[in-house]
Amino acid sequence: QKEVEQNSGPLSVPEGAIASLNCTYSDRGSQSFFWYRQYSGKSPELIMFIYSNGDKEDGRFTAQLNKASQYVSLLIRDSQPSDSATYLCAVGGQTGANNLFFGTGTRLTVIP
Amino acid sequence: DAEITQSPRHKITETGRQVTLACHQTWNHNNMFWYRQDLGHGLRLIHYSYGVQDTNKGEVSDGYSVSRSNTEDLPLTLESAASSQTSVYFCASSDGSTGNTIYFGEGSWLTVV
Repeated sequence: QKEVEQNSGPLSVPEGAIASLNCTYSDRGSQSFFWYRQYSGKSPELIMFIYSNGDKEDGRFTAQLNKASQYVSLLIRDSQPSDSATYLCAVGGQTGANNLFFGTGTRLTVIP
Repeated sequence: DAEITQSPRHKITETGRQVTLACHQTWNHNNMFWYRQDLGHGLRLIHYSYGVQDTNKGEVSDGYSVSRSNTEDLPLTLESAASSQTSVYFCASSDGSTGNTIYFGEGSWLTVV
């Protein structure tokens, strides 16, 4: 059973600050890592994915992966009130074949 | 634009009734999934399919069934609805070629009374 752990929050940051969201996973064989954003009452939407150790940047978002520590994080720079949502970490196996295991999510509130 | 649609979006049913939630995707994705989302549990996999005539049980499959007769559709059936199955249900799909990037439908809110 793969386990994905996230701090449920809520995490509150002021507008313009950096929000840091963290996730740990139990299965060392995990190969793919995803961050989804979910607004209240809506479906999850993909923000970004990362497969290799290190950082991956996409606009204001940076995903960081450390497979040795079984740790993945998401940084949101210049946080905006529109970033207020629940952020889901998801972990998968080898590409192309497996489903994803999700954490319970971290609720982020950006205070104007 | 390609998309994934679920119906009904909201349903109230009685305990013991059979319920089917429909899922239709126009991406021509081979992989399709059904998740349920509950407070404190996050998204949990119910059933999944990697192609026509292929179905597999997920983490919380008891009381649910699926069938895959074509690429586009994966209906989820609750054989005899129970109050514990009150939840939000998300259908999802992926092509598998770009990692496991999964795209979700809008969700179906099911209440069993």
